[in-house]
Amino acid sequence: GAVVSQHPSWVICKSGTSVKIECRSLDFQATTMFWYRQFPKQSLMLMATSNEGSKATYEQGVEKDKFLINHASLTLSTLTVTSAHPEDSSFYICSARYKDGTVQETQYFGPGTRLLVL
Amino acid sequence: GQQVMQIPQYQHVQEGEDFTTYCNSSTTLSNIQWYKQRPGGHPVFLIQLVKSGEVKKQKRLTFQFGEAKKNSSLHITATQTTDVGTYFCAGPWVRGNTPLVFGKGTRLSVIA
Repeated sequence: GAVVSQHPSWVICKSGTSVKIECRSLDFQATTMFWYRQFPKQSLMLMATSNEGSKATYEQGVEKDKFLINHASLTLSTLTVTSAHPEDSSFYICSARYKDGTVQETQYFGPGTRLLVL
Repeated sequence: GQQVMQIPQYQHVQEGEDFTTYCNSSTTLSNIQWYKQRPGGHPVFLIQLVKSGEVKKQKRLTFQFGEAKKNSSLHITATQTTDVGTYFCAGPWVRGNTPLVFGKGTRLSVIA
């Protein structure tokens, strides 16, 4: 099956530093990648949609200058949290979508990255 | 805006009892997908329903997609402790290549 990896799985950083999270589709080429954020005991909230070679589309309320997304290839997308603050502490999950030969595209999730900003 | 609502928010059952979670969308869905997230884990894809009125089964799990493609349900027969987790429904809207929008999820706990 389709496998999506994320790195790192855990990161603890000081307030004001930047953190980069990588998302890779290991055995397929992702037409689109998505970044979600999940706070404790809450649902997944879509942050942005990323297509290879083009600028990411951010959801309302998500600061594009704070959450930098780079989709360099069909298998790699990165999310950089710039000047992280404690309120950015969350579980960040990426998802990759590919065409599975049917009309509907399937979306597969990475294992997530837990970010704790002190 | 477009929303996906799920009820109940929490459900506590005795092992062996049945469990059902319901999902309702404010607009028609292209398809509906169900995910399970164990405590501390990430969402794991369970199933996708595409056709109006579709019913699919996976062992003790039964998934239904409403005739109007605006609601869905997940039913678990004879729950086990391994069923513990949060069940999310998610769907893209009928507008082409749109991302999944998740419901708030139903957190299931099973008492042995």
